[in-house]
Amino acid sequence: DTAVSQTPKYLVTQMGNDKSIKCEQNLGHDTMYWYKQDSKKFLKIMFSYNNKELIINETVPNRFSPKSPDKAHLNLHINSLELGDSAVYFCASSLKGNTEAFFGQGTRLTVV
Amino acid sequence: SQQGEEDPQALSIQEGENATMNCSYKTSINNLQWYRQNSGRGLVHLILIRSNEREKHSGRLRVTLDTSKKSSSLLITASRAADTASYFCAKTGTASKLTFGTGTRLQVTL
Repeated sequence: DTAVSQTPKYLVTQMGNDKSIKCEQNLGHDTMYWYKQDSKKFLKIMFSYNNKELIINETVPNRFSPKSPDKAHLNLHINSLELGDSAVYFCASSLKGNTEAFFGQGTRLTVV
Repeated sequence: SQQGEEDPQALSIQEGENATMNCSYKTSINNLQWYRQNSGRGLVHLILIRSNEREKHSGRLRVTLDTSKKSSSLLITASRAADTASYFCAKTGTASKLTFGTGTRLQVTL
């Protein structure tokens, strides 16, 4: 069974569209994250949720809106997509904020 | 910058050799972790070392931490072609987040 799963794996869309990426973890973790990895492989945290509560929002444009319906799910909705949003987005979870994180396989978003 | 520095950026070695990667950081940490990322895949946790620890081993991996120099190193002994990947250090401080370094791309050739 996949521990952290995110869908879709690939997403190609036009500028201006709105899209969502879903993430689910079956590890019983209480902390979930979204990271963005750019073309130079830099990994930057976007959001962190603990028990459905937002605890970290790293100056991400408000076109990005995370939603955590329960502590096993953290979805990412992106409005008015821009070319610069093209990247690989990773969902991750951990038991506590400072422990080992488990990552999903990533969603490669391409905005054309 | 949120990014720590890792060096080298790229490393190419032959199978059987040892690979050493270094990571430096700027602020105090609770712990430091190392992750591996194979091409096109997610990150996989390798090892966690706490701020009060100086060295940790896991199989062919050895991690050291020098908090006075704010640096860590990852040593992979007797490397294999399957070790080819990018390796990242990640720091955790007081906030519940991992701050990743810039990564080292390791190429192990036969």
